[in-house]
Amino acid sequence: DIQMTQSPSSLSASVGDRVTITCQASQDISNYLNWYQQKPGKAPKLLIYDASNLETGVPSRFSGSGSGTDFTFTISSLQPEDIATYYCQQYDNLPPVFGPGTKVDIK
Amino acid sequence: QVQLQQSGPGLVKPSQTLSLTCAISGDSVSSNSAAWNWIRQSPSRGLEWLGRTYYRSKWYNDYAVSVKSRITINPDTSKNQFSLQLNSVTPEDTAVYYCARDTGGWYSLWGQGTLVTVSS
Repeated sequence: DIQMTQSPSSLSASVGDRVTITCQASQDISNYLNWYQQKPGKAPKLLIYDASNLETGVPSRFSGSGSGTDFTFTISSLQPEDIATYYCQQYDNLPPVFGPGTKVDIK
Repeated sequence: QVQLQQSGPGLVKPSQTLSLTCAISGDSVSSNSAAWNWIRQSPSRGLEWLGRTYYRSKWYNDYAVSVKSRITINPDTSKNQFSLQLNSVTPEDTAVYYCARDTGGWYSLWGQGTLVTVSS
């Protein structure tokens, strides 16, 4: 199975800060990488698909980039409602694998 | 509006079978452009894909190796839903179970989640 790692595992930032999360795959996955936001007690919500495509209805402060093995997820200006855990997920090969998550909170 | 509604027991005894159902509204389990998945989440294992069923002129299933000997995912076209059966459960199978729709490798639609506890 492809292994996914994320860093950092958690971070604290101020409202308005730029937040960056990285995700690394254990092998080349092209751009088959998605990003999700999960709030406590809720199902994950798709934010970015195919590494850089913003899902319909998702605010433009969220963005993604990368290809191959290294990917980046960015919140350009952190808002209080962005407090959540963020996961990357690869789908280049079965099984689809999720990263361990990055917990984001407000400083 | 497409929705997934999960149902099933929240408590299962060890060695018994975990059974959950995911009812689909606004889409079809027989869609040629979607796959219907089960994913679980626990503190120890994180988000773990379990398997999927999908229709492309005939029915297909894919399962995670970790549960392949114990899992069955079945579509029910008469009720427009799909189900998960996981046999011989242990406390390690305690998790929140989600159904989810995949339309291209990403999960854009999720059920509400069901906490299933395996305990006697």
